[in-house]
Amino acid sequence: NAGVTQTPKFQVLKTGQSMTLQCAQDMNHEYMSWYRQDPGMGLRLIHYSVGAGITDQGEVPNGYNVSRSTTEDFPLRLLSAAPSQTSVYFCASSETGAHPYGYTFGSGTRLTVV
Amino acid sequence: DAKTTQPPSMDCAEGRAANLPCNHSTISGNEYVYWYRQIHSQGPQYIIHGLKNNETNEMASLIITEDRKSSTLILPHATLRDTAVYYCIVRVAGGRDDKIIFGKGTRLHILP
Repeated sequence: NAGVTQTPKFQVLKTGQSMTLQCAQDMNHEYMSWYRQDPGMGLRLIHYSVGAGITDQGEVPNGYNVSRSTTEDFPLRLLSAAPSQTSVYFCASSETGAHPYGYTFGSGTRLTVV
Repeated sequence: DAKTTQPPSMDCAEGRAANLPCNHSTISGNEYVYWYRQIHSQGPQYIIHGLKNNETNEMASLIITEDRKSSTLILPHATLRDTAVYYCIVRVAGGRDDKIIFGKGTRLHILP
């Protein structure tokens, strides 16, 4: 049982490049979400999904796309990277409902856009 | 926007109880109160949650006022390893509106 796995752990992109941040969970959780955390700041919700085939926008969705074709995976796509997207990205998953363990977070992907 | 208000920082002496307050005056009847903490640059860690009754687990206690407009997280015997940012969150658990919006949290410093 690996929990929530994020890849890669570190990434440097050039402005304008695209890439996909991967997130996978093996707990059969219906709910998954993506957050970004800028230095010294709190976490901001980018996109979330309450189940396969369903995605919704969070607080800061611009510049990012998501899809949820399977329960296990929730990739985050940066369409055209900008320096403002330099951040640490966290993926989280949860059973829906008031699950006693709340959300499980991945260890994060540290992205630098130059 | 986050639906909770927390003090930006607090200090607590090692070995003493740390009491972290949170205001959520606009909480709805179907929203739960969750507490998470984030140690350094790690992913946030779940601590405890509750709806209207007080809750206790191996990490902490959660006291929710009768009108549910505020709550307090209690770490009974704080250690240096409890130094972290603590987030109080309200969450509709289940359905399309099930999402967590983090606020700025409280940075707790445990003093030796």
